[in-house]
Amino acid sequence: RKEVEQDPGPFNVPEGATVAFNCTYSNSASQSFFWYRQDCRKEPKLLMSVYSSGNEDGRFTAQLNRASQYISLLIRDSKLSDSATYLCVVNGRTGGFKTIFGAGTRLFVKA
Amino acid sequence: GAGVSQSPSNKVTEKGKDVELRCDPISGHTALYWYRQSLGQGLEFLIYFQGNSAPDKSGLPSDRFSAERTGGSVSTLTIQRTQQEDSAVYLCASSPGQGHVSYNSPLHFGNGTRLTVT
Repeated sequence: RKEVEQDPGPFNVPEGATVAFNCTYSNSASQSFFWYRQDCRKEPKLLMSVYSSGNEDGRFTAQLNRASQYISLLIRDSKLSDSATYLCVVNGRTGGFKTIFGAGTRLFVKA
Repeated sequence: GAGVSQSPSNKVTEKGKDVELRCDPISGHTALYWYRQSLGQGLEFLIYFQGNSAPDKSGLPSDRFSAERTGGSVSTLTIQRTQQEDSAVYLCASSPGQGHVSYNSPLHFGNGTRLTVT
């Protein structure tokens, strides 16, 4: 089993749609969680951190469920510019520190 | 300030040659990571440096791969006797924080080095 698993993609949605990405992680000792965005042939960039209380940044909402070891990202009112790969990222500290990236979920938003 | 800088941006080499990839992290960042990304794939963790601690080398795929970080700043990833399967984008990232705090810090990536082994 992979340490961080994400929904298989790609997701194809029309502009204005709401889309949700899910992510599960296997290491219960994981300490912090993030969503990154990666555009084609570019480096990943931080989208937002994920907190247990849930957090929102404009059209983006991230949630964490530690009991279920589950992370989600919700994008409301999708824009064409949201088309990218979304990476779930987990930081842990078991037997040495490691930042693990999920394989990513590709999103295509179409007009 | 300046972001993470990697060089070269592109490298084409013949199978069997050695290559060195360089990463200049953001000034003051104590944590430095190397990842590899093959076309259409996710990021593969290679190695992690944190301050003066021994690096976490658990992701290095073979003994042909090595990395060092001099003076807690610049890092070099070396691949000896390159193989075609080494072709990928090699990404370096740094983050602030010291010791146990670093895991709460997001990563800042460089633009990567695209390595092609012919």
